[in-house]
Amino acid sequence: DADVTQTPRNRITKTGKRIMLECSQTKGHDRMYWYRQDPGLGLRLIYYSFDVKDINKGEISDGYSVSRQAQAKFSLSLESAIPNQTALYFCATSDLRTAADTQYFGPGTRLTVL
Amino acid sequence: QQQVKQSPQSLIVQKGGISIINCAYENTAFDYFPWYQQFPGKGPALLIAIRPDVSEKKEGRFTISFNKSAKQFSLHIMDSQPGDSATYFCAASIWGNTPLVFGKGTRLSVIA
Repeated sequence: DADVTQTPRNRITKTGKRIMLECSQTKGHDRMYWYRQDPGLGLRLIYYSFDVKDINKGEISDGYSVSRQAQAKFSLSLESAIPNQTALYFCATSDLRTAADTQYFGPGTRLTVL
Repeated sequence: QQQVKQSPQSLIVQKGGISIINCAYENTAFDYFPWYQQFPGKGPALLIAIRPDVSEKKEGRFTISFNKSAKQFSLHIMDSQPGDSATYFCAASIWGNTPLVFGKGTRLSVIA
């Protein structure tokens, strides 16, 4: 969905490096999410934010941090990347009032940690 | 603890056949059960969803069947087409209050 954009789309980095993945949305939704997808493991929630002042840990938050800079922006950081963080990362948005809390996903960022 | 269990992991169906994917959940407080469809290189997108006040919901060739007592729900794809080949995820949540918990996904291949 072009309304949810993720940058970069692909990234190769080295162990120990700090990396930030960015998500922007023009849907006006108040809720934003970060997931990682691994083959055979499905979509696992890293962090979520129900509004600008709300940040919550998901199922697998260790090794990650987030920042909700504005309603439209939600960034995911890996403070010191490790190889098992190699995965496909998705940002998603939803809004209970206008979209019945349906989640709209971005196109994903493929991250490789060497 | 896996809150939503999805099966099978992969499925091959002949064109025109019926594809069936099953999910089971543990948290009896869940009251929203969507299915998401993901094509290669794309993010998942909502396909169909059900609330527990009904036992079945149909949208075109796609039907969700819901069994509250068994804590199970399933996706049926009638007259499966090659264009339906994708990965399907079931999910569950307490609607509006908690984020979705996803199953591990089913890779469906529809062959001619």
